[in-house]
Amino acid sequence: DSGVTQTPKHLITATGQRVTLRCSPRSGDLSVYWYQQSLDQGLQFLIQYYNGEERAKGNILERFSAQQFPDLHSELNLSSLELGDSALYFCASSADWGKETQYFGPGTRLLVL
Amino acid sequence: GEDVEQSLFLSVREGDSSVINCTYTDSSSTYLYWYKQEPGAGLQLLTYIFSNMDMKQDQRLTVLLNKKDKHLSLRIADTQTGDSAIYFCAERSNQGGKLIFGQGTELSVKP
Repeated sequence: DSGVTQTPKHLITATGQRVTLRCSPRSGDLSVYWYQQSLDQGLQFLIQYYNGEERAKGNILERFSAQQFPDLHSELNLSSLELGDSALYFCASSADWGKETQYFGPGTRLLVL
Repeated sequence: GEDVEQSLFLSVREGDSSVINCTYTDSSSTYLYWYKQEPGAGLQLLTYIFSNMDMKQDQRLTVLLNKKDKHLSLRIADTQTGDSAIYFCAERSNQGGKLIFGQGTELSVKP
C-alpha cells in the first residue's frame, strides 16, 4: 500500500458526460501528479499540483481540468467524454515539487460507452 | 526530446535471472526508476537510481546504469512466478519532475 488513495476504483459512463476523479496523497506529501494509462498512448503525464498551485502541464486535453484543495487532496475533472478517454487514471504524490520519488495510487479505471 | 524505450516482452523460467532493458534520451535526467504493475493493480515503486551511480542492489534486484549509452537495466535474481508483471522504466524530467515512462516490459515467468 503506497498510502495514496483514489476514488472511485471503477467508473462507467456515457459519451458527453462529465466525471470527477479524486485523489488523496500520502500524509505529508505536497505534490500531486495525474497520469493517464491507455493502450495506445501508454503512461502519460497530465498535470502536476504543488501545495494548491499548478506546477506543470503535460498532454492534458482542454476538456480536462484539475485542482488541489487546501487539505491537499486533488480532483481531476473530465468533461464532454469521448470513447477515447477510456483509460486508467493514476494519481501519484511526492513530498516536494520535483525532487522526490513519486508514489502511485491504485488508479481509477474509466470506461466511456 | 524525452523518450524512453523498452522491449515489450520477456519470458523466463522460474529460478533463472531476468534482465529487463531500457534506453532513455534525456541526458540531464537525474533519477531513473523501475515500477512494477501487476494485472489490475497500480504502479508499485521497485527501486530507483541516481544518475551519479553505476549500480544499485536491493535484495534480488540489481540496477545497472550506463550513462554514456543512456542504458538502464533491471536484473531480477532467482525469478519467481510472483514476479510476473509489467515492468516500467521511467526517467524524471528536470521540468517539474514529471515521469517519462517506457512502454513497459511484460515479464512472464514459467514454472
